[in-house]
Amino acid sequence: ETGVTQTPRHLVMGMTNKKSLKCEQHLGHNAMYWYKQSAKKPLELMFVYNFKEQTENNSVPSRFSPECPNSSHLFLHLHTLQPEDSALYLCASSRFLSGGGNTGELFFGEGSRLTVL
Amino acid sequence: GDSVTQMEGPVTLSEEAFLTINCTYTATGYPSLFWYVQYPGEGLQLLLKATKADDKGSNKGFEATYRKETTSFHLEKGSVQVSDSAVYFCALKAAGNKLTFGGGTRVLVKP
Repeated sequence: ETGVTQTPRHLVMGMTNKKSLKCEQHLGHNAMYWYKQSAKKPLELMFVYNFKEQTENNSVPSRFSPECPNSSHLFLHLHTLQPEDSALYLCASSRFLSGGGNTGELFFGEGSRLTVL
Repeated sequence: GDSVTQMEGPVTLSEEAFLTINCTYTATGYPSLFWYVQYPGEGLQLLLKATKADDKGSNKGFEATYRKETTSFHLEKGSVQVSDSAVYFCALKAAGNKLTFGGGTRVLVKP
């Protein structure tokens, strides 16, 4: 079983749909992240959670709503998206967010490829 | 703020050729530096890292040396294979907890 699992791998949705992306990590990590990867743009950090608490929201539009019910699961709820939101959404985790022991290494899932029509 | 600049791709080369991907950074303090690789259809994975000046990170035949004087962390491999075709991301972690990524460099190795 891979360390970080994302579902679905591919999602096509209309602008009025509501859908959710799911991420699960089996590594015992305490911090989880959502990144957006668009063509020809740098990787964009969207949200950071540490021990289930959101520690960073990088000016993400409210049509993206994250949820972290526990340290192993992270969701991204999608509503009323725009075509420019089409991208690969990557989930990542790390052992710690801060302090000793955080080597800076993130463990990524394979991503959810989202297409908004 | 912190930033990472990578050479733009795509970089196309033949098998067994020498690969260099340039990376320079701007950061406060003394950052840790990383190279991540993304193979087709996969997420990013850590390739190598260096945590202080003059450190050399290495893995899978790739190497990068932390050069504080030139604020660089160039990635090199002496003889690439088709399986090295991927997107390579340089990243830094400075004061605070956020990893800052470069824009990525796509590498295509042809047989």
